[in-house]
Amino acid sequence: DVKVTQSSRYLVKRTGEKVFLECVQDMDHENMFWYRQDPGLGLRLIYFSYDVKMKEKGDIPEGYSVSREKKERFSLILESASTNQTSMYLCASSPAGVNNYGYTFGSGTRLTVV
Amino acid sequence: AQKITQTQPGMFVQEKEAVTLDCTYDTSDQSYGLFWYKQPSSGEMIFLIYQGSYDEQNATEGRYSLNFQKARKSANLVISASQLGDSAMYFCAMREGRRDYKLSFGAGTTVTVRA
Repeated sequence: DVKVTQSSRYLVKRTGEKVFLECVQDMDHENMFWYRQDPGLGLRLIYFSYDVKMKEKGDIPEGYSVSREKKERFSLILESASTNQTSMYLCASSPAGVNNYGYTFGSGTRLTVV
Repeated sequence: AQKITQTQPGMFVQEKEAVTLDCTYDTSDQSYGLFWYKQPSSGEMIFLIYQGSYDEQNATEGRYSLNFQKARKSANLVISASQLGDSAMYFCAMREGRRDYKLSFGAGTTVTVRA
């Protein structure tokens, strides 16, 4: 019954590596989001997409890019991983239009950059 | 400026007692939505309750209720009859406007329920 799937639960990468975090949803949602979660800072929006091939920057897009080639898949790319990108990454999706539950979240990917 | 402020980093509550988690928000929109999510140690975010800015009644969902004070821009979560399974991090979030689907989140409050 998993609806938003993040490809990895835990990931360890080296500084300078290109890192791909994958997210797939099976609810035919138009909107998809990538957040990072850090202690004391809560969740901060990195990028979001409201349609295939469409993307918009969130509050902290520096050092990240995204790709949405298909409606169900939204990838977060760390072009050159750095230690300050060690964090929990949460993917979420929502249908078009206002709803009263917000998002459906994935289980998160805990990324460590060494 | 922070759109969502949660001032309590951590709280302890005795089993079967009620606990109130504070949340204040900042927006100039007349139309907005407020959400609470629970994040257990397993990491998944679980939707708990929603309050729309035009809703006249405070939202309730089982043991969860939202104390909505619009003039004070406050949306506190009340958990009644706390259970051990309520131990988790709790996030307050806001959606602004009718067409903006992004949510802004607070820093979160960790609740630990003691037996």
